[in-house]
Amino acid sequence: AQSVTQLGSHVSVSEGALVLLRCNYSSSVPPYLFWYVQYPNQGLQLLLKYTTGATLVKGINGFEAEFKKSETSFHLTKPSAHMSDAAEYFCVVSDLDDYKLSFGAGTTVTVRA
Amino acid sequence: DAGITQSPRHKVTETGTPVTLRCHQTENHRYMYWYRQDPGHGLRLIHYSYGVKDTDKGEVSDGYSVSRSKTEDFLLTLESATSSQTSVYFCAIRGTGENEQYFGPGTRLTVT
Repeated sequence: AQSVTQLGSHVSVSEGALVLLRCNYSSSVPPYLFWYVQYPNQGLQLLLKYTTGATLVKGINGFEAEFKKSETSFHLTKPSAHMSDAAEYFCVVSDLDDYKLSFGAGTTVTVRA
Repeated sequence: DAGITQSPRHKVTETGTPVTLRCHQTENHRYMYWYRQDPGHGLRLIHYSYGVKDTDKGEVSDGYSVSRSKTEDFLLTLESATSSQTSVYFCAIRGTGENEQYFGPGTRLTVT
């Protein structure tokens, strides 16, 4: 099974500042990669996904992530944080031939005014 | 909106009682999943189903059973609830793309 590591369980940023959430996975074979967001007291929403092709993936709400095979990383960024970005973010991986997902522990983002 | 509903949304129960959570989907997806969410653990897979009457265990299946008698419904049962099963439970379906899943709104279960 895949292993997913999210660095930092909590990240605090100022409104307008860069948001950077780090994710590393364990597989030597590039898997499918996802970022999900969970707003307070809600379910999880797909933010973006990498399957094949372009390594820079754009998602909803101005987020993007870059797949780096050599670093087994899939870090999530947003150039300018907004108060509405306060949520918990999960990095998720799936092997190509497996219909199950492996979740990171999550990173909670707080946005300061 | 993947058309997933969960019931109940909140439940408080006593240790030792049986509990059944229901997941209902409206879009005829083949794969359905049950997860639990606990602080510091992300989401962990309990059981999943790949068709009517076809189910398999996930990584934290002890103390849980599931059933799927219709495509649209996937039931999670705690045979004898324990305090360690206090958690938020999410149901998900596999979408039509590359393994992405879509989640229901969750059920918050408290076992006292």
